[in-house]
Parts: sequence; C-alpha cells; structure tokens
Amino acid sequence: ETGVTQTPRHLVMGMTNKKSLKCEQHLGHNAMYWYKQSAKKPLELMFVYNFKEQTENNSVPSRFSPECPNSSHLFLHLHTLQPEDSALYLCASSQDRASGGNIQYFGAGTRLSVL
Amino acid sequence: QKEVEQNSGPLSVPEGAIASLNCTYSDRGSQSFFWYRQYSGKSPELIMSIYSNGDKEDGRFTAQLNKASQYVSLLIRDSQPSDSATYLCAVNELGRDDKIIFGKGTRLHILP
Repeated sequence: ETGVTQTPRHLVMGMTNKKSLKCEQHLGHNAMYWYKQSAKKPLELMFVYNFKEQTENNSVPSRFSPECPNSSHLFLHLHTLQPEDSALYLCASSQDRASGGNIQYFGAGTRLSVL
Repeated sequence: QKEVEQNSGPLSVPEGAIASLNCTYSDRGSQSFFWYRQYSGKSPELIMSIYSNGDKEDGRFTAQLNKASQYVSLLIRDSQPSDSATYLCAVNELGRDDKIIFGKGTRLHILP
C-alpha cells in the first residue's frame, strides 16, 4: 500500500462515453501527477498539479480534462476518447525536496480500454 | 531536449550473480535521481533514490551516481528470479522538484 489510491482499477468505455478517473493520496503530499503508459511504451507525463495549481500540461488532447480540487484529490475526466487512448493511467504524488524528498509514489493504476 | 537514456535490454543475468543497470541523463544540473522497478501490468515502485555523488546501499541494491559524467547506475547483488522486471531510471528536470523524467526502462531477466 503506497498511500495513493486509484479508482476504478479497470474501465471499459465507448468512444461517446464520458467517464472520470479518481486518485486520492493519503501521504500529505503537495504535488499530484497523471501519467499514461501504453503497451510496451515508456511512461508519458500528462499533467502536474502543485498545491492545486496546474504546473504542467504535456500537450495533452482536450478530450482529457484534469481537475484538482485539493492537494489530496485528482481527477481525470474523459470524453470522446479514441481506441489509441487505451492504456494504463497512473496517478502519483510527491512532496517537495525541502520537506523530505521529491520521490513520486504511484497508485496501482486504471487499466482503460476504449472500444 | 531533456533525456534519460537506458539500454532497453533484455538483460539476462544468472541467479545469484550481480545485475548492473546503467542510465545517462542530459540535464547537467539535475539533483535528484531515482530507480523504480515495474513488474508487467503493475505500477512503478521506488527502489532507490540518490542525491549525492558516490554509492548508496540498501540491502542487495546499490545506486551509484557520478554527476560529472551524468551517469547513474543500479547494482543488484545476489540476483533472484523475483528481480525480473523492468527498471526505470528517473531524473528531476533542472529547476523542478515537481517533475521527473523517466527513461524507457531496462528489462531484466534473472535466469534460474
């Protein structure tokens, strides 16, 4: 248990559906992240939030919409996705280095399949 | 272009031997370096973090950092079949505590 919880663990959706991924961290961290990992490809950083403010949007298509209501919760809203968006979506959190180390801790991920 | 380079492997090592994983990075001023292990279909888990030049040991794992050469490595002693996984090297982006750049990973296979 890393203290980062993601729900759902598995999601199947059609291209016209709207769904949301949820991430919650119980570690008291200030930064949260969304990553995408496609089959046999490296981790791709999507978004970074630091103290609820977005500090990174890595040219992610607008069909992915993040929301960070507070430092403990992060959402990824999905709409009109494409089959190539099928992947493992990982959430992570970290503290700043001055407060004890900028190590990123990952949740178990959501396995998304777009039909 | 900020890069973290790793040999993709697979690296095959006999059980009980030392596995040596290497990584180079392009951001000369990077200060934070990490090794993660990822089993197939699972999320990455932290193995080691290292911030200063030299060696850092934790059980069977030793991380080695050489900032002058922009090189970080991970040694796994007494390799076990359970060590078979993909190992990801990660380095912070210069000036950013909240962003690390991951390498593509090295697949390690421990031969029983």
